[in-house]
Amino acid sequence: DAGITQSPRYKITETGRQVTLMCHQTWSHSYMFWYRQDLGHGLRLIYYSAAADITDKGEVPDGYVVSRSKTENFPLTLESATRSQTSVYFCASRDRVGNTEAFFGQGTRLTVV
Amino acid sequence: KNQVEQSPQSLIILEGKNCTLQCNYTVSPFSNLRWYKQDTGRGPVSLTIMTFSENTKSNGRYTATLDADTKQSSLHITASQLSDSASYICVVSPADSNYQLIWGAGTKLIIKP
Repeated sequence: DAGITQSPRYKITETGRQVTLMCHQTWSHSYMFWYRQDLGHGLRLIYYSAAADITDKGEVPDGYVVSRSKTENFPLTLESATRSQTSVYFCASRDRVGNTEAFFGQGTRLTVV
Repeated sequence: KNQVEQSPQSLIILEGKNCTLQCNYTVSPFSNLRWYKQDTGRGPVSLTIMTFSENTKSNGRYTATLDADTKQSSLHITASQLSDSASYICVVSPADSNYQLIWGAGTKLIIKP
């Protein structure tokens, strides 16, 4: 299917565990992003990538790791999950510099217990 | 600091009525402003984009306005439908960044039959 897909849709994990959220896009967009969305806050950027093998921190990167070995995939890893990382995570992609419309996945609701 | 403030935080109206959502921003330099619609459990989807030179733009029953002098935007919804129930998020792109998007916290709109 064309578009951007995230998996899993829902995840419950325990404090201290490592968990990876997957993101896959079929458009060959250059830019990919990971955001978290918490009640009362706007979307906050965790990490972004301008191209394969190029990643950079956003405003809330602590406790997260990303990689982008292929243009279409951008996994987000929580190295040692904490309760404060309970959130809804959105992956997004954008096709070129200057075109700021971001296309979003369905989101992953992560609960850390 | 670049910020986007939205009001009201939430709004309940009857089906068929009109409503207006507000967005104030302090982002500088300014590139463009987008309104996104986010249905419950889904990722945001772009409704419209406003650039510096545009004052008004319509997309069906949605009309966005921009006053770049006062740094204000509004989204007017005409003849509301039950499917308009969603969060509406104002997002501003700074002109000095290739990737950054400044997100408002959104207005949660509920349409009652």
